[in-house]
Amino acid sequence: KAGVTQTPRYLIKTRGQQVTLSCSPISGHRSVSWYQQTPGQGLQFLFEYFSETQRNKGNFPGRFSGRQFSNSRSEMNVSTLELGDSALYLCASSLGQGALYEQYFGPGTRLTVT
Amino acid sequence: GQQVMQIPQYQHVQEGEDFTTYCNSSTTLSNIQWYKQRPGGHPVFLIQLVKSGEVKKQKRLTFQFGEAKKNSSLHITATQTTDVGTYFCARPSYSGAGSYQLTFGKGTKLSVIP
Repeated sequence: KAGVTQTPRYLIKTRGQQVTLSCSPISGHRSVSWYQQTPGQGLQFLFEYFSETQRNKGNFPGRFSGRQFSNSRSEMNVSTLELGDSALYLCASSLGQGALYEQYFGPGTRLTVT
Repeated sequence: GQQVMQIPQYQHVQEGEDFTTYCNSSTTLSNIQWYKQRPGGHPVFLIQLVKSGEVKKQKRLTFQFGEAKKNSSLHITATQTTDVGTYFCARPSYSGAGSYQLTFGKGTKLSVIP
């Protein structure tokens, strides 16, 4: 079974720009969660989508948004990028709601904002 | 009240020595998950503990869930260089409307000196 894939793997953007990251979950997994990982804050929950609906949202500003498609693929968007948005963005898929099931993480997208 | 504290933050051990990381919560946990992230990699699910006092073993790894379900530990016997990485515990945090999100501890970074 193929694992979780994320594209692109690396991205360099300038302050003020916007970015869209993509995540394809494991086949059959309906839940996709997004996390931001930084050395200072660790792994922080962004949001979770299940069956195309946002089920949970973490404590991030409205510049961070996402969506899920009918095939369970998910995208997250960050608008008006700030230097502090530089991080590793990880998506994880699971069979059910992420907090109660084991999560399978993708390799991540390393975003650098200059 | 829905955080988890992990100690220690860093641990350096000689190859062959044992290693233990602890995860503590001020509130009762319904379950706890453990993940490992190798340097440059992504978190990989290790185990989920659900029952009070539960002990589970995976080869040289022993996971425990406290009797009061407020703490958990991961113990590695006779560490090897392949054990290098950051070990995270994660707990479900209630986010309203019957939904839970996964909250990660800051992790314990393990270095093994050959």
